[in-house]
Amino acid sequence: DIVLTQTPLSSPVTLGQPASISCRSSQSLVHSDGNTYLSWLHQRPGQPPRLLIYKISNRFSGVPDRFSGSGAGTDFTLKISRVEAEDVGVYYCTQATQLVTFGQGTRLEIK
Amino acid sequence: EVQLVESGGGLVQPGGSLRLSCAASGLTFSNYWMSWVRQPPGKGLEWVANIKQDGSEKYYVDSVKGRFTISRDNAKNSLYLQMNSLRVEDTAVYYCAESGHWGQGTLVTVSS
Repeated sequence: DIVLTQTPLSSPVTLGQPASISCRSSQSLVHSDGNTYLSWLHQRPGQPPRLLIYKISNRFSGVPDRFSGSGAGTDFTLKISRVEAEDVGVYYCTQATQLVTFGQGTRLEIK
Repeated sequence: EVQLVESGGGLVQPGGSLRLSCAASGLTFSNYWMSWVRQPPGKGLEWVANIKQDGSEKYYVDSVKGRFTISRDNAKNSLYLQMNSLRVEDTAVYYCAESGHWGQGTLVTVSS
């Protein structure tokens, strides 16, 4: 099974400042079709997850451009250019290259 | 607007069964792989199962193999999860998900 490891597990951030979350995979996420099925989700308290980024760097419909994704192979990063209050919650990376797995989650909180 | 609405959760004793349903609207349901993902109270996300567009391929996490069965009815735009031999550790909110959209979830509690 592919294991996804996120760092940090908790991130206190000042409003207006950037934030970054790393996701490392136990093996390459490049699929045989050439795509890399690494996505990022955001879950606010009491809400279902919502998709932010798919295939490493593609923003889903309606996602603000302060969110960006990057990476390749086994190392991926989600960046928020300027954190807003609505960005609090837990962020998960997830892969669908080989079945589906999720990272442990990173809790973003405001300092 | 895409909507995924789960139903069928509830309280069940260990060893019991439940059938979850997910009604989809606002998308061409038959075009998408569909998944069930669960989240135990206060914990992270765990993929449970997924099913190909035509139902010809189904995959499960090891912990539910032989106990859970995923299925779909494209004519009814519906996804299902039959859960048998339920265990306390199956307690979770169960979400129906397509790659870009998630339902609100339905709570399954397994307890005596």
